[in-house]
Amino acid sequence: GIQVEQSPPDLILQEGANSTLRCNFSDSVNNLQWFHQNPWGQLINLFYIPSGTKQNGRLSATTVATERYSLLYISSSQTTDSGVYFCAVEYYNFNKFYFGSGTKLNVKP
Amino acid sequence: GAGVSQSPRYKVAKRGQDVALRCDPISGHVSLFWYQQALGQGPEFLTYFQNEAQLDKSGLPSDRFFAERPEGSVSTLKIQRTQQEDSAVYLCASSLGTEQYFGPGTRLTVT
Repeated sequence: GIQVEQSPPDLILQEGANSTLRCNFSDSVNNLQWFHQNPWGQLINLFYIPSGTKQNGRLSATTVATERYSLLYISSSQTTDSGVYFCAVEYYNFNKFYFGSGTKLNVKP
Repeated sequence: GAGVSQSPRYKVAKRGQDVALRCDPISGHVSLFWYQQALGQGPEFLTYFQNEAQLDKSGLPSDRFFAERPEGSVSTLKIQRTQQEDSAVYLCASSLGTEQYFGPGTRLTVT
């Protein structure tokens, strides 16, 4: 069946540390997005990245579609990075996102 | 508007009541999606519209759930005879075809 697996499920960092979040998916994707869900529940778009590498400030993401995984890198973490990070994939011929269960990040000052 | 808006932000309903949740997508976005997010989990797909046409409603959990988008812009998700298991955050997203943009959600609590 269709699966989206994220790891680790929980992550605690000291402010300033770097981290890598992983998303594995089970089939060819038409769309892949990374979101940050803030403590108020808002899903904030980080990257639209069905393949390749993108960078935005301290964040970057890489998707290797042929190997069915995506990575989100957070460098020099800040307390405001805390929250839940979701990977969501849209498979070909399906007009819907399948979400992973998220990585809950807590950045301590 | 600048982003997807949803109303109300919070709704408390007694079991058995009907509720209606509203979504205003980003202007011009053809595609609109509803998702349900239970506490501690990722969002799960409910239904999808392209303009006014409901093309996929495979995620609606029961026939108590109904969604419409009559003029191809604003959408309403209606839940009839609410049950406790309906308690969740209901998220709306809109898209021009690639990226989906999410609203702030409506937190529904059924008592």
